[in-house]
Amino acid sequence: KAGVTQTPRYLIKTRGQQVTLSCSPISGHRSVSWYQQTPGQGLQFLFEYFSETQRNKGNFPGRFSGRQFSNSRSEMNVSTLELGDSALYLCASKMAPSTEAFFGQGTRLTVV
Amino acid sequence: SQQGEEDPQALSIQEGENATMNCSYKTSINNLQWYRQNSGRGLVHLILIRSNEREKHSGRLRVTLDTSKKSSSLLITASRAADTASYFCATGEIQGAQKLVFGQGTRLTINP
Repeated sequence: KAGVTQTPRYLIKTRGQQVTLSCSPISGHRSVSWYQQTPGQGLQFLFEYFSETQRNKGNFPGRFSGRQFSNSRSEMNVSTLELGDSALYLCASKMAPSTEAFFGQGTRLTVV
Repeated sequence: SQQGEEDPQALSIQEGENATMNCSYKTSINNLQWYRQNSGRGLVHLILIRSNEREKHSGRLRVTLDTSKKSSSLLITASRAADTASYFCATGEIQGAQKLVFGQGTRLTINP
């Protein structure tokens, strides 16, 4: 059974640009969550989608958005990139709310 | 913001010894999960313990949960060099079971 797949693995963008990250969950998992990991703030929750609906959102500015498709694949978009957006972005999928969350390898975003 | 604290922040032991990491949290939880992360890569799910469980085992891992003290511990027995990684606890809150709230992690180094 394939795990959670995130693409691309690495990205370098310049300030002001926008970026889209992709996440394919484990087959059968309908919940997809996104997390940002930085050395200073650690792992922080961005948002969670279930059946194409955003159910929960973390404390991030509106520049961070996402969506989920009917096949449960999810994308995350960051507009008007800032240097502070440089981070490892992790996607996790779950079968149901209170079950194990399985993470992808992450996308390393560097903003220059 | 982080849910709680992990203790110690860094731990260095000899191969073959046991490693114990502790995690404290602040709110009522539905479950608590432990993850391993190697060198800024994705998170590997280790074990989930539910709020009505007190202890759980998986191979060389033993997790305890004390909801009255809002704390958990992860014991790795007979450590190996491959166990070198950062270990995170993550809580699934009752009110927001869709998201995980992470501690800052414990950096474990196993010396050969």
